[in-house]
Amino acid sequence: GAGVSQSPSNKVTEKGKDVELRCDPISGHTALYWYRQSLGQGLEFLIYFQGNSAPDKSGLPSDRFSAERTGGSVSTLTIQRTQQEDSAVYLCASNTLASNEQFFGPGTRLTVL
Amino acid sequence: SQQGEEDPQALSIQEGENATMNCSYKTSINNLQWYRQNSGRGLVHLILIRSNEREKHSGRLRVTLDTSKKSSSLLITASRAADTASYFCATDSNYQLIWGAGTKLIIKP
Repeated sequence: GAGVSQSPSNKVTEKGKDVELRCDPISGHTALYWYRQSLGQGLEFLIYFQGNSAPDKSGLPSDRFSAERTGGSVSTLTIQRTQQEDSAVYLCASNTLASNEQFFGPGTRLTVL
Repeated sequence: SQQGEEDPQALSIQEGENATMNCSYKTSINNLQWYRQNSGRGLVHLILIRSNEREKHSGRLRVTLDTSKKSSSLLITASRAADTASYFCATDSNYQLIWGAGTKLIIKP
């Protein structure tokens, strides 16, 4: 069946511009996670959704970062006024409450010039 | 913040040899998972071991967990070129997975 999809796969933007990253989780997965991965590093937790609610936003690095999820499905991560340090791969994962295994999308590679 | 720490950071072995990677963590956990990441398939779940388990096998993978030492190991036996990847441990506390920086494994032909 279809896995987690993310778009775009690559995004190059100029410093100061806003970007929107999209995640389409596996159908029926109620939990959705956003992570950030810098080159050669592990995953940095950003935000977690259970349904449309985000009980934990503690990982968002600054108020330039926001995320929403509608209809318990698609989620959008928005970065306003991008900075060069925002350059990274942004990964989305989903799972069900019954399973701890997270299923990952291919990621969006963001480059801020 | 990252809880898990894998060692070694990088490991290079000959095809056919066994590879062992270690993970240490700081707080109590419900379970510990190992994931593999390579350019071809992205980040993929390998195996989960619960806090009340000590050892688990899956194919050529063997995972151990020592909660008293807050450590886990991943053994890959009879390594293959396709095992070349980065391997991450992730600890589960409530809903969140907390990740280490990973071990980069290179299998030489």
